[in-house]
Amino acid sequence: EIVLTQFPGTLSLSPGQRATLSCRASQSVGGSDLAWYQQRPGQAPRLVIYGASNRATGIPDRFSGSGSGTDFTLTINRLEAEDFAVYYCQQCDSSPWTFGRGTKVEIK
Amino acid sequence: EVQLVESGGGLVQPGGSLRLSCVGSGFTFSDSGMSWVRQAPGKGLEWVASLRQDGSEKDYVDSVKGRFTISRDNAKNSVYLQMNSLRVDDTALYYCARGYSWVDLWGQGTLVTVSS
Repeated sequence: EIVLTQFPGTLSLSPGQRATLSCRASQSVGGSDLAWYQQRPGQAPRLVIYGASNRATGIPDRFSGSGSGTDFTLTINRLEAEDFAVYYCQQCDSSPWTFGRGTKVEIK
Repeated sequence: EVQLVESGGGLVQPGGSLRLSCVGSGFTFSDSGMSWVRQAPGKGLEWVASLRQDGSEKDYVDSVKGRFTISRDNAKNSVYLQMNSLRVDDTALYYCARGYSWVDLWGQGTLVTVSS
């Protein structure tokens, strides 16, 4: 099973700042098989990035994804109030699909 | 409106069974792989099961293999999760989601509580 480690666990930032979230896999993941999700309190998750770097429909361009192999990054430029949430990475390279434990982006 | 709506959750005793249902609308259901993902109270996301568009391929997380069965009825735009031999650690909010691997549409979830 591929284990995904997300860090930091919590990121305290102010609106307008940049957030950099990391996801490290225990073994190599194909670039097309890494996704990021956003979950706001009390809401269902929402797909943000798929294929490591492709923005999902309706996701603003301040969100970007990068990485390959075992190291992946989600960057959020110019944080807005609606961006403060928990973010999960997911791999679907090999079964079982697994999620990281999440990074909480909170208002400083 | 493109949406998924789950139903069927509830309180069940350990060892009991439940059948979750999910109806999709606003998109071509038969063209979509479907998945179930769960979230225990206050915890992260856990993939449970996925099913291909035509039902030809399905997969499960190890912890539910032999107990849960994912199925679909494309004529009814529906996907199901039959859950047997439920355990306390199956307690979670169960989300239906569109996609076989990464998922791009989520329902609001249905709560399953396993307790005596």
